[in-house]
Amino acid sequence: AQRVTQPEKLLSVFKGAPVELKCNYSYSGSPELFWYVQYSRQRLQLLLRHISRESIKGFTADLNKGETSFHLKKPFAQEEDSAMYYCALTGGQGGKLIFGQGTELSVKP
Amino acid sequence: GAGVSQSPSNKVTEKGKDVELRCDPISGHTALYWYRQSLGQGLEFLIYFQGNSAPDKSGLPSDRFSAERTGGSVSTLTIQRTQQEDSAVYLCASSLVGDREETQYFGPGTRLLVL
Repeated sequence: AQRVTQPEKLLSVFKGAPVELKCNYSYSGSPELFWYVQYSRQRLQLLLRHISRESIKGFTADLNKGETSFHLKKPFAQEEDSAMYYCALTGGQGGKLIFGQGTELSVKP
Repeated sequence: GAGVSQSPSNKVTEKGKDVELRCDPISGHTALYWYRQSLGQGLEFLIYFQGNSAPDKSGLPSDRFSAERTGGSVSTLTIQRTQQEDSAVYLCASSLVGDREETQYFGPGTRLLVL
């Protein structure tokens, strides 16, 4: 079955602390993995995708096929990072996104 | 340029009534998606249109839900005989198939409340 699991509903850290949002997936085949972010009162937007291997706003995510994980990391969290983060996958080459339940990140001053 | 737009932004209806939600995708985008965001279920895929191909309706929760995409552009999601469990935020997204990254761009959503 295709599934994305984000075990943490809420993650609270202090400004400047490292942050890691966990994501595990189940998919038969070679999925494409994404992180989407939704800031307060804004629309859902793409943060990064595994094939780009980019660092966006200081965030990185590495696809670990052995552990079927795609954890999102940032070494020094900022207050403006507070948002809802969704891990998602597709079967590649477009198509529907399968989302995890989301993790709310709260960065305290 | 203009992003994905949706209307209405909020809709309150009574149980048993029909509702129509509209999505205007980014001009030129060939793929259009509907998702539902609810407290208990998170973000769920509903339906996907791609060009002239038959839509992927595999996510529609019941036959009360249907969607159309006219002229390869605007889409309407219709919910008949609404139930309280239909209350959610309905999100539309579009993407340019053939573009190397095929990023899905989301609209602001329609918040539906069924009383």
